[in-house]
Amino acid sequence: NAGVTQTPKFQVLKTGQSMTLQCAQDMNHNSMYWYRQDPGMGLRLIYYSASEGTTDKGEVPNGYNVSRLNKREFSLRLESAAPSQTSVYFCASSAQTDFQETQYFGPGTRLLVL
Amino acid sequence: QKEVEQDPGPLSVPEGAIVSLNCTYSNSAFQYFMWYRQYSRKGPELLMYTYSSGNKEDGRFTAQVDKSSKYISLFIRDSQPSDSATYLCAMSDRGSTLGRLYFGRGTQLTVWP
Repeated sequence: NAGVTQTPKFQVLKTGQSMTLQCAQDMNHNSMYWYRQDPGMGLRLIYYSASEGTTDKGEVPNGYNVSRLNKREFSLRLESAAPSQTSVYFCASSAQTDFQETQYFGPGTRLLVL
Repeated sequence: QKEVEQDPGPLSVPEGAIVSLNCTYSNSAFQYFMWYRQYSRKGPELLMYTYSSGNKEDGRFTAQVDKSSKYISLFIRDSQPSDSATYLCAMSDRGSTLGRLYFGRGTQLTVWP
């Protein structure tokens, strides 16, 4: 099993450009998440999807949109990139069993907005 | 005030030392407590998981939760250079936002040989 995969690994954008970050998991998990990680700020939740067909805003949703394409895939879109969106983006998934909330993370996408 | 507070360090210790990492939190509804380890330029991976108060031991790692003080700790015994990483605490209330985790900022640990 590959676990959680993310593409691309690294991207450079100019201000105003758009792009979509892709995430897929092969663990049959119901829930998927998008986080951003900035120095000194820890992980901040952008959007999450508790199940296929549902999405909800997290802590820092402004400037982003998401699509839960199917149970495996959860994409994050930047419609008009801004330098403040320079960050490392992590996708995660979880099974939400009765006893634990283990989230499994992908390797991350490093985004630089000039 | 963030719901989860964690000293970012950095923390630097010699090999073999006992390391203590801590987080405090403000939301008394948190019931599930986790420690994630993140190596440089990698995604976080789950290290320890505890439910409610008490201790949990796994090899050289011990996680403690004190709900009365809203304080959690991770102890690493006989620390190794391979333990050098950023350690993030995380917690969940399993409330309306089922599965949502609240993370601390992470503590950067370096174990030198």
